[in-house]
Amino acid sequence: QKEVEQDPGPLSVPEGAIVSLNCTYSNSAFQYFMWYRQYSRKGPELLMYTYSSGNKEDGRFTAQVDKSSKYISLFIRDSQPSDSATYLCAMSPLTGGGNKLTFGTGTQLKVEL
Amino acid sequence: DVKVTQSSRYLVKRTGEKVFLECVQDMDHENMFWYRQDPGLGLRLIYFSYDVKMKEKGDIPEGYSVSREKKERFSLILESASTNQTSMYLCASSSAGGGLAKYYEQYFGPGTRLTVT
Repeated sequence: QKEVEQDPGPLSVPEGAIVSLNCTYSNSAFQYFMWYRQYSRKGPELLMYTYSSGNKEDGRFTAQVDKSSKYISLFIRDSQPSDSATYLCAMSPLTGGGNKLTFGTGTQLKVEL
Repeated sequence: DVKVTQSSRYLVKRTGEKVFLECVQDMDHENMFWYRQDPGLGLRLIYFSYDVKMKEKGDIPEGYSVSREKKERFSLILESASTNQTSMYLCASSSAGGGLAKYYEQYFGPGTRLTVT
């Protein structure tokens, strides 16, 4: 079983839809959670990060962590065609792992006009 | 603006060849990483380095070696390329300090798509 599971998609939504992207994990030591966005033929870039449980909002993006369920989510409101990309979750235990990250496999999102 | 550059976007090599992938970052970052990205497997860490001449194995180091002679440059070496090393290779760097956010934020290069025939 992988430490981090992520539905690969592809996920296709109409412009303006609310998108929910999710990851589950098995390592209860993970405390730092990140979402990266990767456009086609580019390297990933950091979108958002959260520490421990709770929500964090940044414009149209909201990151949510539920440590009791070992489940994290990224919500995109009013999705735009420019949001079409692969979204990767990443996480770290904070201690004992250096600053290495464990990544999910990525969910491919397409926002259609 | 942080920039991580990789020497080639596309590379085709033959089985058994020695392959060098170069990565350079311009932000004076202490940490550098090499990943490979494959469909269905995601990003997997090959090697990383916390300092010049320092290296540590990641999750899949077999068949690879690395070199970091200068702070800004981190090289990945395939001693004898094999077809199962056909993949997208991504280099990343991050700062060693500046708080949690800076510590964990990795800046990625555009990737090198390597095909071994």
